[in-house]
Amino acid sequence: EAGVAQSPRYKIIEKRQSVAFWCNPISGHATLYWYQQILGQGPKLLIQFQNNGVVDDSQLPKDRFSAERLKGVDSTLKIQPAKLEDSAVYLCASSLNGEVEQYFGPGTRLTVT
Amino acid sequence: GENVEQHPSTLSVQEGDSAVIKCTYSDSASNYFPWYKQELGKGPQLIIDIRSNVGEKKDQRIAVTLNKTAKHFSLHITETQPEDSAVYFCAASITGGGNKLTFGTGTQLKVEL
Repeated sequence: EAGVAQSPRYKIIEKRQSVAFWCNPISGHATLYWYQQILGQGPKLLIQFQNNGVVDDSQLPKDRFSAERLKGVDSTLKIQPAKLEDSAVYLCASSLNGEVEQYFGPGTRLTVT
Repeated sequence: GENVEQHPSTLSVQEGDSAVIKCTYSDSASNYFPWYKQELGKGPQLIIDIRSNVGEKKDQRIAVTLNKTAKHFSLHITETQPEDSAVYFCAASITGGGNKLTFGTGTQLKVEL
């Protein structure tokens, strides 16, 4: 069974630029999560989707972050404009229809200079 | 909201020794407690989990214990091997409530030869 796929794996941008990350969950997983992991910390949930609907985006900085999952499968997370403090690893995870067991992708390491 | 504290932040053991990582949580409604292993450049991997209706769970060299009264849970790794070296994260969640995971800050485990 293929795992959660993410791309790109690494991205370096200057502050105020925009960036987008892509995630393809495990086949059949209806629930998709985006996490932000700052160096030396645990992952922090940004947004949770159930199919193509948002379940929880309470910790998403909506003035600069957006995410979509239009067809209920893959998802994109966008940052515009980026700030230095956005430097982190962005992790995508999925679970089977909201089950507690979440499976993570390899992440995208973002560096904002 | 939920707050999860994890100790120690770093742990160094000799190969073959045991390692113990401890976590405390604040929300008594939390009922699902997974442990993740994160190797360098990879996403977190679920290694074991426990639900609030049991006090202990084992899987080969790994065990997790839960004390609901004290609101703490621990990961025990016996007969440690160099490949156990990684960052370990505990997390807590309330099942059925969106299953949002709140992570601890991580423990860097180093198994020395």
